[in-house]
Amino acid sequence: GESVGLHLPTLSVQEGDNSIINCAYSNSASDYFIWYKQESGKGPQFIIDIRSNMDKRQGQRVTVLLNKTVKHLSLQIAATQPGDSAVYFCAEIYTGGFKTIFGAGTRLFVKA
Amino acid sequence: EAGVTQSPTHLIKTRGQQATLRCSPISGHTSVYWYQQALGLGLQFLLWYDEGEERNRGNFPPRFSGRQFPNYSSELNVNALELEDSALYLCASSLGSGRYNEQFFGPGTRLTVL
Repeated sequence: GESVGLHLPTLSVQEGDNSIINCAYSNSASDYFIWYKQESGKGPQFIIDIRSNMDKRQGQRVTVLLNKTVKHLSLQIAATQPGDSAVYFCAEIYTGGFKTIFGAGTRLFVKA
Repeated sequence: EAGVTQSPTHLIKTRGQQATLRCSPISGHTSVYWYQQALGLGLQFLLWYDEGEERNRGNFPPRFSGRQFPNYSSELNVNALELEDSALYLCASSLGSGRYNEQFFGPGTRLTVL
């Protein structure tokens, strides 16, 4: 895997509002995508995934949208809670070449 | 099922010293990845081991090295430590020959270089 180190963009939302976190991926051959959540001082945790033959997948309070035309991925969190405060980043995977690229991440702040 | 484990949790060293970080993958996983995450930054890929062999290396100097043991656990060694090596070092494991290269992360080792 590879990644680009950048200072993280931040998103601040009010508790109860919906959050949308975006990710632009780079490899048009990527066919599998994962969103991770990383809380302070912890390792990243898997949230939800989507394969390139889908454009939407829903989990519990989370939805991932995939737009392959513009190579864009988004994570929607419904009714955001203080416990959702974390860094969220996407991973694009080209399963044919076993190559994973991680996005830099977005820091989500939830205001009570 | 136990997840990826890393030790130690925290490590404090001084400039010029050497650090050794350890990782145990999920049972059945043959691939181990190492990442550096400096404060406020994204993951920087360091090393990928699979079946005991180094498969890929990120853009880091040679003083960052590692190995994978026959039981698939792994060590990351950092020689001649510099202040900017202070970071969270994350280990991840995956099924090396799996269709999807999903990586499962450990909690990390926080390395502080004084």
